[in-house]
Amino acid sequence: NAGVTQTPKFQVLKTGQSMTLQCAQDMNHEYMSWYRQDPGMGLRLIHYSVGAGITDQGEVPNGYNVSRSTTEDFPLRLLSAAPSQTSVYFCASSYSYNEQFFGPGTRLTVL
Amino acid sequence: AQSVTQLDSQVPVFEEAPVELRCNYSSSVSVYLFWYVQYPNQGLQLLLKYLSGSTLVESINGFEAEFNKSQTSFHLRKPSVHISDTAEYFCAVSNPSGGSNYKLTFGKGTLLTVNP
Repeated sequence: NAGVTQTPKFQVLKTGQSMTLQCAQDMNHEYMSWYRQDPGMGLRLIHYSVGAGITDQGEVPNGYNVSRSTTEDFPLRLLSAAPSQTSVYFCASSYSYNEQFFGPGTRLTVL
Repeated sequence: AQSVTQLDSQVPVFEEAPVELRCNYSSSVSVYLFWYVQYPNQGLQLLLKYLSGSTLVESINGFEAEFNKSQTSFHLRKPSVHISDTAEYFCAVSNPSGGSNYKLTFGKGTLLTVNP
């Protein structure tokens, strides 16, 4: 199993550009989530999904959209990037409350 | 709502010394508790967890944590650290009741630096 994969690993955007961060898992996990990690802030939940077709907002959802059309994929979209969205983004998946499995992260810089 | 406080943002120690990373949580309901570790330029990995039962939980690489309900704490300890333990450690909590039991609330992290 590849586990949780994220693409790209690095991305530089200009203010106002849009992009999609990809996340996929091959463990048949129902629960998937997106976090952002900023220095001194820990990880903050952006959006999450408890199954295909079901998504909900986390702690810091503004400026981000998600969809979940399949169990495997959970892309995160930035419609109009802002410098405040410069961060490291992690995707995670879980089959229960027991443990979340994290991807390697995407480092995003918005100029 | 639940929250997690990691009392130390950075902990420098010498190799083979003991270490304790402190974690306190706030919640009005029962909780599950986790410690995750993040090595440089990597994602997070589960180190250990408390769900129920024995309040002392151990990891395969010598770390242990004790759930203390009265003090709402879940401190992480290791009696003798190695250079390879240098990483950032995150304490996290989830609420096992209702439909939100998958959601994790993280502390801000503690950077453990082990010096030779």
